[in-house]
Amino acid sequence: VVMTQSPATLSVSPGERATLSCRASQTVGSSLAWYQQKPGQAPRLLIYDASTRATGIPVRFSGSGSGTEFTLTINSLQSEDFAVYYCQQYSYWPPHTFGQGTKLEIK
Amino acid sequence: QITLKESGPTLVKPTETLTLTCTFSGFSFSETGVGVGWIRQPPGRALEWLAIILWDDKTRYTPSLKNRVSVTKGTPKNQVVLTVTNMDPDDTGTYYCAHRIVSPNWGSPFDIWGQGAMVIVSS
Repeated sequence: VVMTQSPATLSVSPGERATLSCRASQTVGSSLAWYQQKPGQAPRLLIYDASTRATGIPVRFSGSGSGTEFTLTINSLQSEDFAVYYCQQYSYWPPHTFGQGTKLEIK
Repeated sequence: QITLKESGPTLVKPTETLTLTCTFSGFSFSETGVGVGWIRQPPGRALEWLAIILWDDKTRYTPSLKNRVSVTKGTPKNQVVLTVTNMDPDDTGTYYCAHRIVSPNWGSPFDIWGQGAMVIVSS
């Protein structure tokens, strides 16, 4: 399964909303996770099962979608939210493929 | 609290075998649904899922490494060992081990990650 994220880079101002997309080459149901990675750090799980926030994740992060189209929405962007975001499907394996990432940068 | 930490060589030569150890705490393979996976990331590039070992000793590997990769439970019981044979400069990157959300299903995301271990392949 190929995961395609768009856009590759997204420029948004602090306080605004960011919308990131992830498309699967075949249906993965709701078996979709989102991760955040900051420079020099390991990825952090944000969302799993397409829309369930992981432990300790702020409510401004939300996930939606099913099948082949998924969205990560970040409301009221904070300075600490600027990072690279990856989606991952875990419906088909091996492997549980990751997308190529979306870099969220400050506008 | 679950923690994981990767250890192993920073530099390996082409054609050599890489052995990385993941030492973890806060969980056990005695629990149904537990799994530890390996993911790598070339410099400046995306994450790549490599392999996983589950509580019942089942393993799965990425086809892209064509039988070069294996994962085993270590001794002591709080370790997982990743082996990659015939290393190539394209295998350079940061290697992460990660705990997956406990689930009886095949598929589950990684909720806790190690800090990563940088591996450089060069002669």
